Amino acid sequence: QKEVEQNSGPLSVPEGAIASLNCTYSDRGSQSFFWYRQYSGKSPELIMFIYSNGDKEDGRFTAQLNKASQYVSLLIRDSQPSDSATYLCAVRAGNTPLVFGKGTRLSVIA
Amino acid sequence: EPEVTQTPSHQVTQMGQEVILRCVPISNHLYFYWYRQILGQKVEFLVSFYNNEISEKSEIFDDQFSVERPDGSNFTLKIRSTKLEDSAMYFCASSPARSSYNEQFFGPGTRLTVL
Repeated sequence: QKEVEQNSGPLSVPEGAIASLNCTYSDRGSQSFFWYRQYSGKSPELIMFIYSNGDKEDGRFTAQLNKASQYVSLLIRDSQPSDSATYLCAVRAGNTPLVFGKGTRLSVIA
Repeated sequence: EPEVTQTPSHQVTQMGQEVILRCVPISNHLYFYWYRQILGQKVEFLVSFYNNEISEKSEIFDDQFSVERPDGSNFTLKIRSTKLEDSAMYFCASSPARSSYNEQFFGPGTRLTVL
């Protein structure tokens, strides 16, 4: 059974701080890793994806991947109240379907 | 920018009734997916579809479910006899290719409420 685990939160950070969201996965064959943002009642929206070990930066977002530890994280710099949402980690091995974690609810306090 | 669309946005039905959820994937995409999300729970894969046939399905996708691409644009999910536990958000997604490295683009979802 392929599992993706996330702390459900809520994670509360003050405006302007760095939010750190973490995800672990069970399938060592996982090849691609995605972070989606989901506002309440809305569909998942892709923020970033990462395939290789290390860091990948896109604007205020940095994804970090450590395949040896089966760990992927998302850092959000200069957090804004509009970043308040649930962040979903999803992983994929080969051509298999996306496997989602339950998500971490982030609350950015103004 | 092209996007996946879904109709209706909200469907209310009585237990035992049939429902059809509709999706229009992005026009040049080849792979189509249905996911569902029960309130407060994780997004779960139901089925993937390519070249007019199911390529993979989950344990959730039992005989009560079926998918179809009736024309060149629509992709439908049918639930033959709805149960209370089918109440969920249903998301359609499409992808230009099946590779692990291709993003799946999600539609806005249909909220299904079974009474």
